Amino acid sequence: AQSVTQLDSQVPVFEEAPVELRCNYSSSVSVYLFWYVQYPNQGLQLLLKYLSGSTLVKGINGFEAEFNKSQTSFHLRKPSVHISDTAEYFCALILAQKLVFGQGTRLTINP
Amino acid sequence: DAGVIQSPRHEVTEMGQEVTLRCKPISGHNSLFWYRQTMMRGLELLIYFNNNVPIDDSGMPEDRFSAKMPNASFSTLKIQPSEPRDSAVYFCASSSPRDYEQYFGPGTRLTVT
Repeated sequence: AQSVTQLDSQVPVFEEAPVELRCNYSSSVSVYLFWYVQYPNQGLQLLLKYLSGSTLVKGINGFEAEFNKSQTSFHLRKPSVHISDTAEYFCALILAQKLVFGQGTRLTINP
Repeated sequence: DAGVIQSPRHEVTEMGQEVTLRCKPISGHNSLFWYRQTMMRGLELLIYFNNNVPIDDSGMPEDRFSAKMPNASFSTLKIQPSEPRDSAVYFCASSSPRDYEQYFGPGTRLTVT
């Protein structure tokens, strides 16, 4: 069965430090992968997506992710975080139009 | 475009009452999705429609839940009767036939007392 695992439920980092949010997936077929961000009391917003092509995907707000088929991973990275990046981040894959989400990673930025 | 519109943003009701949540998808989008978010279960897909037709309702928890899409610009999710365990944030999302991206509304926070 297709599934997504986010290995960290919470990630605290200091402002201007780099961050990596981990995501692993399980799928028997080719996958399309997504990272969504949810700011407090808001809906989800797409950060970036991998459909095909280059395995390094750049998204909004300085985020990027790398698709690694051999490791079945799609980790999200940012070289320098800001207070405004405090949010919950969801990795997801799409299966027959349905988004299958990981459990989310709460990113907290300390000044 | 105004994005996906949901109403109400907050709903507080008593157990046993009927609750109706509403969604207006982005114009031109032909797919509509209803999700529920809770601390315990995370984000769950309840049902989705293509061209106003329900395609997969396997995520609807039980018969107390029903969803309709009478036209391309409006959908409802109804809970009757409501129970405290239905308390959650309910999201509506829509997508176009040319894109896999789903655009989410701001959600309706439902509290059943």
